[in-house]
Amino acid sequence: KQEVTQIPAALSVPEGENLVLNCSFTDSAIYNLQWFRQDPGKGLTSLLLIQSSQREQTSGRLNASLDKSSGRSTLYIAASQPGDSATYLCAVRPGSGGSNYKLTFGKGTLLTVNP
Amino acid sequence: GAGVSQSPSNKVTEKGKDVELRCDPISGHTALYWYRQSLGQGLEFLIYFQGNSAPDKSGLPSDRFSAERTGGSVSTLTIQRTQQEDSAVYLCASSSPPGERQYFGPGTRLTVT
Repeated sequence: KQEVTQIPAALSVPEGENLVLNCSFTDSAIYNLQWFRQDPGKGLTSLLLIQSSQREQTSGRLNASLDKSSGRSTLYIAASQPGDSATYLCAVRPGSGGSNYKLTFGKGTLLTVNP
Repeated sequence: GAGVSQSPSNKVTEKGKDVELRCDPISGHTALYWYRQSLGQGLEFLIYFQGNSAPDKSGLPSDRFSAERTGGSVSTLTIQRTQQEDSAVYLCASSSPPGERQYFGPGTRLTVT
């Protein structure tokens, strides 16, 4: 059974700092991995999706890397801003692909960026 | 265009009552997913639809839970004889093609008293 772990559970940084959020998964046979952002009382916003054949994806100040063989992904946020404060979740899709679209989520990292 | 919408946004119900939660996916999205987010449990997959059929119902926690999708669009998640442990936020997502980036709705917060 796939298990996804996110460390740390919570992180507080001053504005402007670069930071890294970590995600690890026990079964390296994944199809893709997504990073999401969740604001309090809101749904999830997909930030980046990395296919299993890719090493990284970038969007603005965000960069996600994937090391499938070691079961790890990182989300790098450059020059953090108070508006980045949210819970960040990672989720993996099984490598069997096909019609298996069931995502397994980590429990998230609660990020607070202080002005 | 419009995103995924869910209704109601909040629902309080008494134990033993039935509830229906609605999801309107992004227009044209063929795949629709239901998830449940509980305190301390994280996000768990419930069911997935491709068109109107549900090839994967493995996440439904009990036979009190059912879901349907009509016209390849709107989906309804029904919980019969609600229990307190059903209290959670129920999230719906859609994507096209299936398996690619999922777009989530704001969720329905269900409280069973």
